[in-house]
Amino acid sequence: AQKVTQAQTEISVVEKEDVTLDCVYETRDTTYYLFWYKQPPSGELVFLIRRNSFDEQNEISGRYSWNFQKSTSSFNFTITASQVVDSAVYFCALAQETSGSRLTFGEGTQLTVNP
Amino acid sequence: GAGVSQTPSNKVTEKGKYVELRCDPISGHTALYWYRQSLGQGPEFLIYFQGTGAADDSGLPNDRFFAVRPEGSVSTLKIQRTERGDSAVYLCASSLGLVVNEQFFGPGTRLTVL
Repeated sequence: AQKVTQAQTEISVVEKEDVTLDCVYETRDTTYYLFWYKQPPSGELVFLIRRNSFDEQNEISGRYSWNFQKSTSSFNFTITASQVVDSAVYFCALAQETSGSRLTFGEGTQLTVNP
Repeated sequence: GAGVSQTPSNKVTEKGKYVELRCDPISGHTALYWYRQSLGQGPEFLIYFQGTGAADDSGLPNDRFFAVRPEGSVSTLKIQRTERGDSAVYLCASSLGLVVNEQFFGPGTRLTVL
């Protein structure tokens, strides 16, 4: 069985604050893949990042960074110096090698960045 | 290039009717997925195609739901005898397939069953 938990339902910050979105996953596979997607108010899911279970290096892309820790089964997402345009629902997702390519999504975190 | 497109963008139907939802994947993507997203929830997997065949249909909720991809490109999700509980946004995604690649999503079809 696979499961993704995003415990934070809603987060509200003021522009320029840093914010971390938590993601905890469960899987019995040793090979799996983790994803983050952004869903702005327009509704279309936008791919942000994909990591496989053998690559624990943290990644930075502009104001975005991801912290993957297998020891705690977590794949957290940090936005530095948040902007109003970052307001969206963010989803963490998991794909197990034994389950093919199907994605299991968390419930999502609604991020609101206020000016 | 063009992204994943879905038609119609909105569909309102009456309980008991039959509906078809269409998905045009990104050109060259061999894998195609259908998900369903209810309000305030994450997307839930329905079915996955690799080429023309359904590689995994374990997410289809019951036999009222069926999907096809006859030529390995466009896919149609078919729902018979619609129920109010079928109301949701139906999302289609495509990827390069073969390995677990990132999936690119379409804008979705909002289905409302009255």
